[in-house]
Amino acid sequence: GAGVSQSPSNKVTEKGKDVELRCDPISGHTALYWYRQSLGQGLEFLIYFQGNSAPDKSGLPSDRFSAERTGGSVSTLTIQRTQQEDSAVYLCASTLWGGEAFFGQGTRLTVV
Amino acid sequence: QQQVKQSPQSLIVQKGGISIINCAYENTAFDYFPWYQQFPGKGPALLIAIRPDVSEKKEGRFTISFNKSAKQFSLHIMDSQPGDSATYFCAASHRSNDYKLSFGAGTTVTVRA
Repeated sequence: GAGVSQSPSNKVTEKGKDVELRCDPISGHTALYWYRQSLGQGLEFLIYFQGNSAPDKSGLPSDRFSAERTGGSVSTLTIQRTQQEDSAVYLCASTLWGGEAFFGQGTRLTVV
Repeated sequence: QQQVKQSPQSLIVQKGGISIINCAYENTAFDYFPWYQQFPGKGPALLIAIRPDVSEKKEGRFTISFNKSAKQFSLHIMDSQPGDSATYFCAASHRSNDYKLSFGAGTTVTVRA
């Protein structure tokens, strides 16, 4: 596709349920980042994938969060046992390493 | 802790006026300073970026001023238009940290017609 695609656009889930958020990066982009944007806040780094290297998980806020990137392309961010404080917009960005970061439109997660 | 501090939190400017947003950083390893523009319901989009070997970069009505010694950089929006109403984020990154972006908290700009 022409840009970074994220799905779903919106997700409402009950506290305690697991959710999966998907990111389709720009074709050929080797680097993929996940960020979280809480209401009225800046963007917080979560996890980084570069090629076939081990991901940088240093920004994940708890062990309930995990992510994978299959075949160097699509990435899935999984949040287990969701809590209300997980409510936020989750943004994915892809780049050629060191280049401009292109962001998707985000997934707005609401935990009720 | 927030590695990039951004101010003001919000500003209102009249059409045709100048919007100025300031950012400061501590980590001298940062070597890439982009500004992002975000409209409601959309992801951030790169507006303009600068590297520390220059003190100013201009693209159309948007100018970044960079002061390496003060560890500060700012965005100036000249001749502000209602279509510029958005949230603006400054950010910083460096090669040795895989260009992971550290963002400021954002500035909501409202341009009044």
